[in-house]
Amino acid sequence: DTGVSQNPRHKITKRGQNVTFRCDPISEHNRLYWYRQTLGQGPEFLTYFQNEAQLEKSRLLSDRFSAERPKGSFSTLEIQRTEQGDSAMYLCASAGGASGANVLTFGAGSRLTVL
Amino acid sequence: AQTVTQSQPEMSVQEAETVTLSCTYDTSENNYYLFWYKQPPSRQMILVIRQEAYKQQNATENRFSVNFQKAAKSFSLKISDSQLGDTAMYFCAFLYSGGGADGLTFGKGTHLIIQP
Repeated sequence: DTGVSQNPRHKITKRGQNVTFRCDPISEHNRLYWYRQTLGQGPEFLTYFQNEAQLEKSRLLSDRFSAERPKGSFSTLEIQRTEQGDSAMYLCASAGGASGANVLTFGAGSRLTVL
Repeated sequence: AQTVTQSQPEMSVQEAETVTLSCTYDTSENNYYLFWYKQPPSRQMILVIRQEAYKQQNATENRFSVNFQKAAKSFSLKISDSQLGDTAMYFCAFLYSGGGADGLTFGKGTHLIIQP
């Protein structure tokens, strides 16, 4: 297993466009998290999946944001009608299996730039 | 809700020196985990060390050790014999052990620079 994979690594889009990010967690991990990180800040929690169920959503996740994890495998994070304030690094993390439910492994992130 | 505070935005030390990064947190929970994560310039977050709140013994991982003071809600990271590769952002993080649905709560980070 090569760890948590995120694609694309960098996305530049114009304001108002829709973007989708994909996260492939470590295969044995049943927990999956999305975070947003802006420059000079620590990551902020967005949403959490346990298997295919989305169990928690942050108030940061406006109605323009939607996340899915069909079949409890990969996950997608879609942002509709992007705004300049959405520019950030979007991090995915997974946990579970032999490493334990409380140790999150992060991907390299998907950087979004909204022009 | 819990909060994590890192009061040192940036620190700089010479290679081979020992450096301590501070972290305080606020929670009403009794069972939780604390972590230090490292984020090098490539930006992938890497786990450095973790501490279970119910354990009194401080965690150590090679050159990295923590000073966990539960009553004071303090969780500092000590890096011994610092190396150039230790240059990175370091984040202190809290995880409630009661379910983990909220994931980690992070501090704002400390930018550690190791000078040659």
